[in-house]
Amino acid sequence: KAGVTQTPRYLIKTRGQQVTLSCSPISGHRSVSWYQQTPGQGLQFLFEYFSETQRNKGNFPGRFSGRQFSNSRSEMNVSTLELGDSALYLCASSSGRQDETQYFGPGTRLLVL
Amino acid sequence: SQKIEQNSEALNIQEGKTATLTCNYTNYSPAYLQWYRQDPGRGPVFLLLIRENEKEKRKERLKVTFDTTLKQSLFHITASQPADSATYLCALPENNNAGNMLTFGGGTRLMVKP
Repeated sequence: KAGVTQTPRYLIKTRGQQVTLSCSPISGHRSVSWYQQTPGQGLQFLFEYFSETQRNKGNFPGRFSGRQFSNSRSEMNVSTLELGDSALYLCASSSGRQDETQYFGPGTRLLVL
Repeated sequence: SQKIEQNSEALNIQEGKTATLTCNYTNYSPAYLQWYRQDPGRGPVFLLLIRENEKEKRKERLKVTFDTTLKQSLFHITASQPADSATYLCALPENNNAGNMLTFGGGTRLMVKP
């Protein structure tokens, strides 16, 4: 089974721009979660999508948004980028049960200049 | 919200010894706790899950304990090898409702020296 894939792997943007990141979950998985990882704050939960609906949301501003398509692929969007948005963005997929293993992708490293 | 503390200092041990990592949490008792391994530049990889009614779980050289009274989990790697060098993260569900909202600790970096 192919693992979780994320595109692009690396991205450089400037302040004020917007960015869209993509995540393809493991085949058959219906839940996709997004996390932001920075050296100072560690891994922080952004949101989770299950069957095209946002099921959980972390404490991030509205500039961070996401969606999930009928094939379970997910995208997250960050508008009006700030320097502090520079981070590794990770997505994780699972079947959707609460205590299931989450399988993480390799991440997208975003640098905002 | 759940708060998790892991020793932020790196743990340096000699090959062959047992590494013990600590995860302490506050607030409510979670239904389960997970441990992940993360290598530089990569996403976390799931290692073990232990439920609130389990005191101990083992997988090969790994052992996890879960003490809901102390609000603590210990993660042990026996007969450690240089290849075990990585950052280890513990994670708890943010709530016990439906969904996969995990709160992660800051991780402990383990260095195993030959």
